[in-house]
Amino acid sequence: GAVVSQHPSWVICKSGTSVKIECRSLDFQATTMFWYRQFPKQSLMLMATSNEGSKATYEQGVEKDKFLINHASLTLSTLTVTSAHPEDSSFYICSARDPRERNNEQFFGPGTRLTVL
Amino acid sequence: GQNIDQPTEMTATEGAIVQINCTYQTSGFNGLFWYQQHAGEAPTFLSYNVLDGLEEKGRFSSFLSRSKGYSYLLLKELQMKDSASYLCAVSGLNDMRFGAGTRLTVKP
Repeated sequence: GAVVSQHPSWVICKSGTSVKIECRSLDFQATTMFWYRQFPKQSLMLMATSNEGSKATYEQGVEKDKFLINHASLTLSTLTVTSAHPEDSSFYICSARDPRERNNEQFFGPGTRLTVL
Repeated sequence: GQNIDQPTEMTATEGAIVQINCTYQTSGFNGLFWYQQHAGEAPTFLSYNVLDGLEEKGRFSSFLSRSKGYSYLLLKELQMKDSASYLCAVSGLNDMRFGAGTRLTVKP
């Protein structure tokens, strides 16, 4: 199947700083990528849909000024958590659909564990 | 909107069979997925149903009834390594929504 990478795999930062997470599709081009957040023992919650060349679509309750998404190329989307606070500590996962696949399977990156002190 | 329900936890014995149910209500349907997720890791794909019926893949099978908004994942010959969370996900036209997940514990 298609491969999606994320970087970094984990990050620890101080409260008030900004953190950038990268999501890359390694062997296919993704016009759309998805960003999820997962708190312990909870399911994946869709934060936003990242569209190449246009603005991201945010889910209700997700602050677009706090979670900046940039999808500058067909293989890269970035999520920047601005002015991070301890409540932003979570597991962030991106995914993408491979247009070569006939079903709508999403391929997930390995996730980024963010800890804000 | 979408509503996806699945049991929170299940326990089964090694070698047994377990069925994890999922019911959903959605305004747009483009397929139903089951994913397995071990703690601290990303979900991995298990199965996909878009038409009614049973899809079998080795020890795992998944069933879908679109008219009932119902699916189940069947795991046979359970192994200890099958202890994980199982996520039911419904694909809409442009996105995918996940249920809360079922945490399965396999005991010896």
